[in-house]
Amino acid sequence: DQQVKQNSPSLSVQEGRISILNCDYTNSMFDYFLWYKKYPAEGPTFLISISSIKDKNEDGRFTVFLNKSAKHLSLHIVPSQPGDSAVYFCAASAGAQKLVFGQGTRLTINP
Amino acid sequence: DGGITQSPKYLFRKEGQNVTLSCEQNLNHDAMYWYRQDPGQGLRLIYYSQIVNDFQKGDIAEGYSVSREKKESFPLTVTSAQKNPTAFYLCASSLRYFSNQPQHFGDGTRLSIL
Repeated sequence: DQQVKQNSPSLSVQEGRISILNCDYTNSMFDYFLWYKKYPAEGPTFLISISSIKDKNEDGRFTVFLNKSAKHLSLHIVPSQPGDSAVYFCAASAGAQKLVFGQGTRLTINP
Repeated sequence: DGGITQSPKYLFRKEGQNVTLSCEQNLNHDAMYWYRQDPGQGLRLIYYSQIVNDFQKGDIAEGYSVSREKKESFPLTVTSAQKNPTAFYLCASSLRYFSNQPQHFGDGTRLSIL
């Protein structure tokens, strides 16, 4: 039972353009959502989070959008840079419960 | 510099052998976690600890054991009962147990079978 799904295993974007990573969830009790970035052989690094009382949160080049009715989360990176090439994981939690992670999307930024 | 240190970076296990993965944090966080990552999959929770001398099983605890004798340290033992131990193991910590605050991760230990 995969409660958090990232349906695109990989995404390729040209440098300078917008990268959009998507995440769908099934548990309507999820109220806190996060995005992590992971380079090979390293641990995930926290990028940005959003609580269910908001529908948008912005931090520099990164914006997370939450559509509760569609149970959909997206991460926008503008403009995309070569250093953004990594695997991105979305994660969600319900109250003070464990984080549930998606499978990850590998983003490649092409020059 | 505050952070989470995992060691070793690479570890090899022989059949029937127990191995212990180290995790140390100097962030003064109460909660610590162990995750396992397999190729093409998300992170799965093995064990977690809310405070010193307390720990709870996660989703895939069979074949693993932990201890939390000090706030800074949360070692994971992969026992011979874990039949498929080859994976990337990640330790994390957060200020409080599963509060709406991000978890911070170490750089992981890759465990392989000889």
